[in-house]
Amino acid sequence: KNQVEQSPQSLIILEGKNCTLQCNYTVSPFSNLRWYKQDTGRGPVSLTIMTFSENTKSNGRYTATLDADTKQSSLHITASQLSDSASYICVVSVSGGYNKLIFGAGTRLAVHP
Amino acid sequence: NAGVTQTPKFQVLKTGQSMTLQCAQDMNHEYMSWYRQDPGMGLRLIHYSVGAGITDQGEVPNGYNVSRSTTEDFPLRLLSAAPSQTSVYFCASSSLVIRDRSHEQYFGPGTRLTVT
Repeated sequence: KNQVEQSPQSLIILEGKNCTLQCNYTVSPFSNLRWYKQDTGRGPVSLTIMTFSENTKSNGRYTATLDADTKQSSLHITASQLSDSASYICVVSVSGGYNKLIFGAGTRLAVHP
Repeated sequence: NAGVTQTPKFQVLKTGQSMTLQCAQDMNHEYMSWYRQDPGMGLRLIHYSVGAGITDQGEVPNGYNVSRSTTEDFPLRLLSAAPSQTSVYFCASSSLVIRDRSHEQYFGPGTRLTVT
């Protein structure tokens, strides 16, 4: 069964600190892996998309890594800001279908001053 | 360029009532889809469409109908609302053009539906 699991479920950090969110997946056949940021009351917004051949991708203070062998991904946030408080969702795309996406339940991050 | 828009933002229904959630996109995307988001769970696909006149079921289609008469609009209909349909609903769109390999999906702001 195709699944995406994220950890931790929630996280509290102080402003300016770094943090790393984890994503494990069992999806086949794999097409790409995406990280989305979802602010409270808003729709998800894409941060990064990585294909099988990419093992790291950055978007400003966000850096995603992908290990296709172990089927793990991480999202590292550097020098956190209050505006980083949101849910971060890991999504894996299944190859061969029309944009078939498997969503993780998300990690809720709270950045405190 | 407004992207993906959804109306209404909030809605309360009584069990058995019907309603339509509206979704529109102005990016000329072929692919449009509806998801529901429930606490502690990932987004789940309800229905999707790959072009005007073409729709198909997703993972949780029961209790919902869709149609796609134009490229821009993809309404979701609840025929007889049930408390189990209390959720946040997101519409999304993406291009299916081959050169756009990522097929980036753009999400609307969501509709929060409560069925009592």
